[in-house]
Amino acid sequence: QSALTQPPSASGSPGQSVTISCTGTSSDVGGYNYVSWYQHHPGKAPRLMIFEVSKRPSGVPDRFSGSKSGNTASLTVSGLQAEDEADYYCSSYAGTNNFMVFGGGTKVTVL
Amino acid sequence: EVRLVESGGGLVQPGGSLRLSCAASGFTFSAYTMSWVRQAPGKGLEWLSAVSGSGAYTYVADSVKGRFTISKDNSKNTLYLQMNNLRAEDTARYYCAKGTTVAGTFDYWGQGILVTVSS
Repeated sequence: QSALTQPPSASGSPGQSVTISCTGTSSDVGGYNYVSWYQHHPGKAPRLMIFEVSKRPSGVPDRFSGSKSGNTASLTVSGLQAEDEADYYCSSYAGTNNFMVFGGGTKVTVL
Repeated sequence: EVRLVESGGGLVQPGGSLRLSCAASGFTFSAYTMSWVRQAPGKGLEWLSAVSGSGAYTYVADSVKGRFTISKDNSKNTLYLQMNNLRAEDTARYYCAKGTTVAGTFDYWGQGILVTVSS
């Protein structure tokens, strides 16, 4: 099971938007609406930011949004804030044989 | 409040074994799929294995199949990962994660436990 493809880095100034892509295949991202996004600050537990492609858990700011088209999912962070600087990982359910797969991660830098 | 606390990590020689534990509280442990995820130094997150709420069904990543075994004891609210024939490339921080009703989604994670495989 290959990892989903994410750009290694993305950046934006405070107040700007940044969009991270996550490309998989028809066996994972394209086959299910079970794409999640996690924020990970080094040394801390990852935090669920988006699930089922575009849903936000309670407590996650609406500056975070998700979408999907075909085999590619995207996370957009609008109105960048300093505390948004972190690593972001996408994941997708991949069926009962492979269960799930993560992306390689994207380091978001707030300039 | 949901809490997941990993234990059992440490330094182990190549070829050795280790059993990680994850003590869970704050939710009905038997109702949720649980997973182990790791992050090697300088690398991304890697899903390793999952077990259904009842413990009847398990899923294992190809990268650790045949060496790692996941299990859970619902009477003790504890998740386990038995790791055998450890290799240097298994050096990582290991996280337990609680699943949700949405397949492959984790809403709570532990802080992680460090496993170092070295002679």
